Amino acid sequence: EAQVTQNPRYLITVTGKKLTVTCSQNMNHEYMSWYRQDPGLGLRQIYYSMNVEVTDKGDVPEGYKVSRKEKRNFPLILESPSPNQTSLYFCASSYDPGLAGGRPHEQYFGPGTRLTVT
Amino acid sequence: GENVEQHPSTLSVQEGDSAVIKCTYSDSASNYFPWYKQELGKRPQLIIDIRSNVGEKKDQRIAVTLNKTAKHFSLHITETQPEDSAVYFCAAVNTGTASKLTFGTGTRLQVTL
Repeated sequence: EAQVTQNPRYLITVTGKKLTVTCSQNMNHEYMSWYRQDPGLGLRQIYYSMNVEVTDKGDVPEGYKVSRKEKRNFPLILESPSPNQTSLYFCASSYDPGLAGGRPHEQYFGPGTRLTVT
Repeated sequence: GENVEQHPSTLSVQEGDSAVIKCTYSDSASNYFPWYKQELGKRPQLIIDIRSNVGEKKDQRIAVTLNKTAKHFSLHITETQPEDSAVYFCAAVNTGTASKLTFGTGTRLQVTL
C-alpha cells in the first residue's frame, strides 16, 4: 500500500530535550516536506527536500533541522524544543509528473504527529 | 515570497445550499492552485486543482475559478451535504520552484441539517 508514515503519532516532552520525528514514504517520490498546523494559521511549510542531500527552508524553519540521506526518509529534528513548537506536524511527499500530466506536487500527507512541549 | 490569504475562516451553511471560499495570492509566478480538504482528525487530501492557463474547472458538485489578473481563486461547493463539513485549504504553487507550497489559513465549513 502506497503511504507516508510518521512516528511517533503523539509525543509529550519537556523544554530542551532533543527529539526526532521520523517520516518515511514508499512511493519513490523525489520531494518531501514538513508542515506544522496551528489553529488560525493553517499549514505552514517548515522544510522541504527536492532529492537526497538537497533540502531548503520553508516559511518557518527556525528551531528545526532536517536531513535527507535516503530517498524514502525525511526526519524532522528539534534540537532544543520550546513550548511554541507545540503543534500538529505533517510530513508529505510528492512528485512532478512533468510532461506526463497529472497533479504537480500533489502532497501525500502522513497521519500527523501531535507534539506537546511543556 | 508568496502570501496566500483565505476567507472566510468559518462558514456555516444549511444542507443543500452553496458554499464559496475565496483566496488571493501575491506572487504572479504562481501557476498552480490546489485545494485540500481535511476532515476532523484526518490528514489533508487534495480534492480539486486548477492551473493558471484555465479559468474554471468542475468536478461534480465542486468547482474552482481563477482570475489571474486579480490574483483571486475560489472554491464553490453546490448542494452541500453533511459530509462536506471539514476544513478547506487553498494553496499556491510555482511549479518551477519544486515543492514550495504556500497554503491559506483554512476555512472551517459546517453544513447543518
